[in-house]
Amino acid sequence: QVHLQESGPGLVKPSETLSLTCDVSGSSFSGFHWSWIRQPAGKGLEWIGHVFASGHTEYNPSFRRRVTMSIDMSKTQLSLKMTSMTAADTAIYFCARARQDGNPFFNFYFGVDVWGQGTTVTVSS
Amino acid sequence: IQMTQSPSSLSASVGDRVTITCRASQSIGRFLNWYQQKPGRAPQLLIYGSSDLQSGVAPRFSGSGTETEFTLTISSLQPEDYATYYCQQSHGSPVTFGGGTRVEIK
Repeated sequence: QVHLQESGPGLVKPSETLSLTCDVSGSSFSGFHWSWIRQPAGKGLEWIGHVFASGHTEYNPSFRRRVTMSIDMSKTQLSLKMTSMTAADTAIYFCARARQDGNPFFNFYFGVDVWGQGTTVTVSS
Repeated sequence: IQMTQSPSSLSASVGDRVTITCRASQSIGRFLNWYQQKPGRAPQLLIYGSSDLQSGVAPRFSGSGTETEFTLTISSLQPEDYATYYCQQSHGSPVTFGGGTRVEIK
């Protein structure tokens, strides 16, 4: 059974850098790509970006200047770093898996099929 | 690509047929997925490719549509279906989600 588990500091001060990790079990990294998606309390979902087993990354332009994602296969772990945090970044952050297709155009066609439970991040001084 | 769901919320009784609509700001073919999210939980994939049922999902859920207009139908609402439903397009980058439709008990 595939299981994703996010972890992080919970509370971040404004202007600081957020660092989150996501432990992956029960799945290989290859053949899939790995997203970070966030959800402010009571609001909708926002895709931040994704990372492939190769290390290739693609980011939502809204976050591109502030975000870095990576994979550590030795630890079977994903990571997300987001700089210059503000109150607007307060949200639940999910890591999630989607099937990688041979044609990149179809990378999300089959949907995001496995999600972590999410970790709450509050930005406050 | 902007995704607009309607209604934003609805009230229905157990056994009712429920339909949720999702409209895309431009044509996305069949690159449309549906998710269910219960309070305090992560979203769960229901439908991909506009109409294909994800493995393990109850067959009372169905999806249809193409280009810019899509629907999610629950043929006979069950107590465990009270949740918020999101559509997601994957035709353009970045992938984007609709604002959600909350299904409440009548």
